[in-house]
Amino acid sequence: DVKVTQSSRYLVKRTGEKVFLECVQDMDHENMFWYRQDPGLGLRLIYFSYDVKMKEKGDIPEGYSVSREKKERFSLILESASTNQTSMYLCASSSTGWNYEQYFGPGTRLTVT
Amino acid sequence: AQRVTQPEKLLSVFKGAPVELKCNYSYSGSPELFWYVQYSRQRLQLLLRHISRESIKGFTADLNKGETSFHLKKPFAQEEDSAMYYCALSNNAGNMLTFGGGTRLMVKP
Repeated sequence: DVKVTQSSRYLVKRTGEKVFLECVQDMDHENMFWYRQDPGLGLRLIYFSYDVKMKEKGDIPEGYSVSREKKERFSLILESASTNQTSMYLCASSSTGWNYEQYFGPGTRLTVT
Repeated sequence: AQRVTQPEKLLSVFKGAPVELKCNYSYSGSPELFWYVQYSRQRLQLLLRHISRESIKGFTADLNKGETSFHLKKPFAQEEDSAMYYCALSNNAGNMLTFGGGTRLMVKP
């Protein structure tokens, strides 16, 4: 059974703080993703990683960076949090290959005050 | 650029009624489409994919290339179908998804 875990379910940070969101998967998946989920906007891809130390920008990378030092772990970093980054953040992973299913974590609800 | 549109933010039906959740896409290549579902307090998970032509939990979806649609249908809605549904479109490489805005389905008793 695929397990994708995220470090926090709820997080409250102040404007300007540096924020780390961590995601770990235990299925040896090559691909990992960070999305933000907002009502009416659905899921929007922030960053995607297809291998250790490899990353690609998604649709909304501004204000975010990522780190993938180990295959199982993918971190999302908000260098200087802003109120418009208040959102639900979802991590996902998938096996490499064509159109494999993405498995999602439980989400981190981040509030920036 | 590829895009997925789900025109209804909320769809409310009575138990036993037919349900259709609409999904339209724009894509220049040969599309691969999916439906993901998120039940209350659960993770987002794959419901079905068009390439499999399968029926999951009584739901089916047919790809209509002429109308660029991939609507999700069920003939008789159940209360446990109440959830958030997302339509998603894959890129050419088959490794990234573009999601629609989502439709919340409420099935009333």
